[in-house]
Amino acid sequence: ETGVTQSPTHLIKTRGQQVTLRCSSQSGHNTVSWYQQALGQGPQFIFQYYREEENGRGNFPPRFSGLQFPNYSSELNVNALELDDSALYLCASSLEFSGAGANVLTFGAGSRLTVL
Amino acid sequence: GQNIDQPTEMTATEGAIVQINCTYQTSGFNGLFWYQQHAGEAPTFLSYNVLDGLEEKGRFSSFLSRSKGYSYLLLKELQMKDSASHLCAVRDSNYQLIWGAGTKLIIKP
Repeated sequence: ETGVTQSPTHLIKTRGQQVTLRCSSQSGHNTVSWYQQALGQGPQFIFQYYREEENGRGNFPPRFSGLQFPNYSSELNVNALELDDSALYLCASSLEFSGAGANVLTFGAGSRLTVL
Repeated sequence: GQNIDQPTEMTATEGAIVQINCTYQTSGFNGLFWYQQHAGEAPTFLSYNVLDGLEEKGRFSSFLSRSKGYSYLLLKELQMKDSASHLCAVRDSNYQLIWGAGTKLIIKP
C-alpha cells in the first residue's frame, strides 16, 4: 500500500509568479484535501476534492485553485503569488469525504514553498 | 468564529505521563482528532473521539467532553520519540477540519 506522495518537496518562487503542486493519493482513497501550514501553526484547510469535484473550501481567495484527476491524484495551483503564501502545503487523502466514522487523513510530507 | 485552543509548549520527563488539553468553539461538531507531527514531517493520526468519554490506544488515551468543548490527549511512559507537535482538530458541521496551532512537546531524559 503506497502512501501519499507530493512534489516538489521544496521550491522557491517570486511574487506574482504561479505555482503548481502535485499529490498522489494513497491507493484506494478517493478524497483529497489540501492544507496550508505556516511555521509554528496548525494546518489551514484550503479545499477538498471528492471524485473530481470540489466539495468544500476554506477561507482562501480564488487564486488558489485545484483539480482532481480520474486516478484521484490532485493538483493545487496558486496564481499571483504573494509573500504570505510562503508555507508548507500539505495534501491528505481519505476514503470518504463525510463524517461516517473516523475518516482518518493520510498526509503527504508536504511541499515547502518560499515566495521572495 | 471558530477557535481551537491548546498550549503552545509543554515539557515532560522520559518515562512520565503528560496531558495536553484542547478547548474548542466550532460551528457544529462531527468528531475530534489528535495528530502528531514531528519537525519537517507529515502529521500522523493518533486518536479520534466523537462520543463523550475516554478512548485508549496503547500508550495514548484521548478524552472528550462535548458539553464543555474540551478534550485532552494523555501520553504515558513517555519516550524521546514523543518529542513532536501534537495537533487537536475538530470536524465542523461542514465536515471540514479546524486545527489548533499544536502543542510542542519536549521530552527530557
